[in-house]
Amino acid sequence: NAGVMQNPRHLVRRRGQEARLRCSPVKGHSHVYWYRQLPEEGLKFMVYLQKENIIDESGMPKERFSAEFPKEGPSILRIQQVVRGDSAAYFCASSRMVPGQGSYNEQFFGPGTRLTVL
Amino acid sequence: QKEVEQDPGPLSVPEGAIVSLNCTYSNSAFQYFMWYRQYSRKGPELLMYTYSSGNKEDGRFTAQVDKSSKYISLFIRDSQPSDSATYLCADNTDKLIFGTGTRLQVFP
Repeated sequence: NAGVMQNPRHLVRRRGQEARLRCSPVKGHSHVYWYRQLPEEGLKFMVYLQKENIIDESGMPKERFSAEFPKEGPSILRIQQVVRGDSAAYFCASSRMVPGQGSYNEQFFGPGTRLTVL
Repeated sequence: QKEVEQDPGPLSVPEGAIVSLNCTYSNSAFQYFMWYRQYSRKGPELLMYTYSSGNKEDGRFTAQVDKSSKYISLFIRDSQPSDSATYLCADNTDKLIFGTGTRLQVFP
């Protein structure tokens, strides 16, 4: 019974390169979330997606960052032209139900991808 | 002001001690509170969740919510070295909003 899978676990990029982070949700889950955790800071919501739809991207930086969750395959978080400030742990979570709506809804987290920008 | 505030610690206690971890929140609309545990280099895992004011107990863990003072607590009884981790409180009324986490170290 596989949980949320993320790869790669570690990613090193030079400034200006692109970073692609992948997330496979728990089987049967159709809601995916991306969070960023900077050193000594808590997890910050970035984006919430359902299959082929971005539902809430209020936490995404306006430039260089994009996310998708295609009909087939994993969700992808893409960071173009990375800068040193993008170095962080990026976590993906998935859930079965729609978040909020006044109901408890557990999100299961993956192990994260640690991005280092040189 | 952050929506969920948490003392980052670190908090260091001897094995067997009672641990108290606390958070405050600012938004009166918050109503679903969760505690996550995160071991080093791992993803967070859900420990407990609460909705109403009062206490909720699960084994050695007790979650407490005081909505009148916007205060959330997690108590760990008979703490063990394996409890050493970062504990994150969060509100899940709309989307998960986390505190910064409190690092706990339980030494033998």
